[in-house]
Amino acid sequence: GNSVTQMEGPVTLSEEAFLTINCTYTATGYPSLFWYVQYPGEGLQLLLKATKADDKGSNKGFEATYRKETTSFHLEKGSVQVSDSAVYFCALSRAGGTSYGKLTFGQGTILTVHP
Amino acid sequence: NAGVTQTPKFRVLKTGQSMTLLCAQDMNHEYMYWYRQDPGMGLRLIHYSVGEGTTAKGEVPDGYNVSRLKKQNFLLGLESAAPSQTSVYFCASSPDRGGYTFGSGTRLTVV
Repeated sequence: GNSVTQMEGPVTLSEEAFLTINCTYTATGYPSLFWYVQYPGEGLQLLLKATKADDKGSNKGFEATYRKETTSFHLEKGSVQVSDSAVYFCALSRAGGTSYGKLTFGQGTILTVHP
Repeated sequence: NAGVTQTPKFRVLKTGQSMTLLCAQDMNHEYMYWYRQDPGMGLRLIHYSVGEGTTAKGEVPDGYNVSRLKKQNFLLGLESAAPSQTSVYFCASSPDRGGYTFGSGTRLTVV
């Protein structure tokens, strides 16, 4: 079956540091890949996505590249801010008519950025 | 504002009590989902619906029932609550693959 594995957290960084959160997946076919962010007390928001191999998703300074050869979709940001403190979820949606858009999530990585 | 609205936001139940969580969306999305979020486990799919009048089981359906009598509403029911159902519940809707809009969640505690 499908699965998503994220690096364990929590991750604690100083402001302006470089961020990497690793994500690898197992899936049949060609899934779409996503990063969602959850701020305290809120629901999840789509951060970025990629729908095919070598696609790069980007938003708000965050980037992730769909690497089929390594089954990875690592999240990166060159300079984090305190406002980036949140929980980050990697997720996949399997291709195919019977998937009905269902998402499989990783366990989430807590990011805390200090001034 | 368009989006997904969940009610209630918080609830405490005693073991054995029943309750219904309501999810409403105003974006005319076909697909709707109920997930539960537990520490260290990400979100797990409970039930989902691909259209009005249809429901299907997800990854962790036991102890829950759902109904989608109207396209805009997706109800999650707990007939006899158990402490293992203490969790944060999220509803989401989508017009297609992965284009989710999430609600803000319902924090449920079963004592």
